[in-house]
Amino acid sequence: GAVVSQHPSWVICKSGTSVKIECRSLDFQATTMFWYRQFPKQSLMLMATSNEGSKATYEQGVEKDKFLINHASLTLSTLTVTSAHPEDSSFYICSELGQFNYNEQFFGPGTRLTVL
Amino acid sequence: AQSVTQPDIHITVSEGASLELRCNYSYGATPYLFWYVQSPGQGLQLLLKYFSGDTLVQGIKGFEAEFKRSQSSFNLRKPSVHWSDAAEYFCAVGRNEKLTFGTGTRLTIIP
Repeated sequence: GAVVSQHPSWVICKSGTSVKIECRSLDFQATTMFWYRQFPKQSLMLMATSNEGSKATYEQGVEKDKFLINHASLTLSTLTVTSAHPEDSSFYICSELGQFNYNEQFFGPGTRLTVL
Repeated sequence: AQSVTQPDIHITVSEGASLELRCNYSYGATPYLFWYVQSPGQGLQLLLKYFSGDTLVQGIKGFEAEFKRSQSSFNLRKPSVHWSDAAEYFCAVGRNEKLTFGTGTRLTIIP
């Protein structure tokens, strides 16, 4: 399967600051990546679909101005949480579509964000 | 709209015993079905998937799952669990790139 990395694995920030999370495809060029959010003891909720060279597609209820997604290269997508608040504290996971099967996703290890 | 139901929030099993985790789905067409496992603080690892063909699919770590169209189910099984199987298990349904996850089942293994 595909290999996806995320950086950082965890981050703590003060309320009001912005945090950038990176998602990298390590073994092939991923034109499409996904960003999920997972609250403690809950399931993954899709936030947005990140497409290389174009604007991300956000799911209903996700603030695009708060969660900025950039997919400037075929191997890197970034999620920036702007003006973070404690309620943004969560586990953020990215994924990429399989190289040979677009119905299969491979997930990164996740980033734990804690906003104080 | 597609949805996934995992009716068991938490299951406790003795090491060496058999395991079955339930998953029911709602989907308008023939779905693609997945089981993922998540260890604490980690991302998701794919255990197995069903796209078409044989309804009994084999996965990694000794897991298997059976697709039953008539029951809209895709239950995960393992004949003998190991302490290392303790984790959160997610069933997912999807097609055309988007996945919908169930709420997960937390598996605890007791000696």
